[in-house]
Amino acid sequence: TQLLEQSPQFLSIQEGENLTVYCNSSSVFSSLQWYRQEPGEGPVLLVTVVTGGEVKKLKRLTFQFGDARKDSSLHITAAQPGDTGLYLCAKRKGAQKLVFGQGTRLTINP
Amino acid sequence: KAGVTQTPRYLIKTRGQQVTLSCSPISGHRSVSWYQQTPGQGLQFLFEYFSETQRNKGNFPGRFSGRQFSNSRSEMNVSTLELGDSALYLCASSPENTDTQYFGPGTRLTVL
Repeated sequence: TQLLEQSPQFLSIQEGENLTVYCNSSSVFSSLQWYRQEPGEGPVLLVTVVTGGEVKKLKRLTFQFGDARKDSSLHITAAQPGDTGLYLCAKRKGAQKLVFGQGTRLTINP
Repeated sequence: KAGVTQTPRYLIKTRGQQVTLSCSPISGHRSVSWYQQTPGQGLQFLFEYFSETQRNKGNFPGRFSGRQFSNSRSEMNVSTLELGDSALYLCASSPENTDTQYFGPGTRLTVL
């Protein structure tokens, strides 16, 4: 059982379209991080959300933390080919540093 | 600042051999964590070192071990390699009192 469930697992859309990916947990998390990993590279932190209901924007990316702090979403507006990558959510779990979801593999077609 | 560096980037070994991977953290970062990434299991935490001491450990067998040196550089070792150890091994460093991980590009290990 995954502690963090990400959906969808795979998403392929055309350039210019909008999309939303999700990260859900059965338990409350104190904070959540979103990372993006491009082929051949390690994950890179995009944002950390801490407060329930929090919304953070990073250019065309909008991150939302659910009111109950059990879920989070990432919305991309007008997707570009450069947005292609594996999007991972992660939270701290006790002594295990960070626990990651399985990720959403996003492909933006020109 | 230079980012996290890992060597080698690619490695091919055979079953039963052992391997040592190296990681140099961002200057000033004393925490170094190691993760294994596979298509089936995703990114899984192996262990974390801080000031030359293992601070946290994930659920991996004892064949996986690591160490950290006084300059914060870290190595991980896998003994008696199995086919299932084929994976991308990622090292990450972080500043004190933060969960933010700065990842290196990884070492791609293939076990034949």
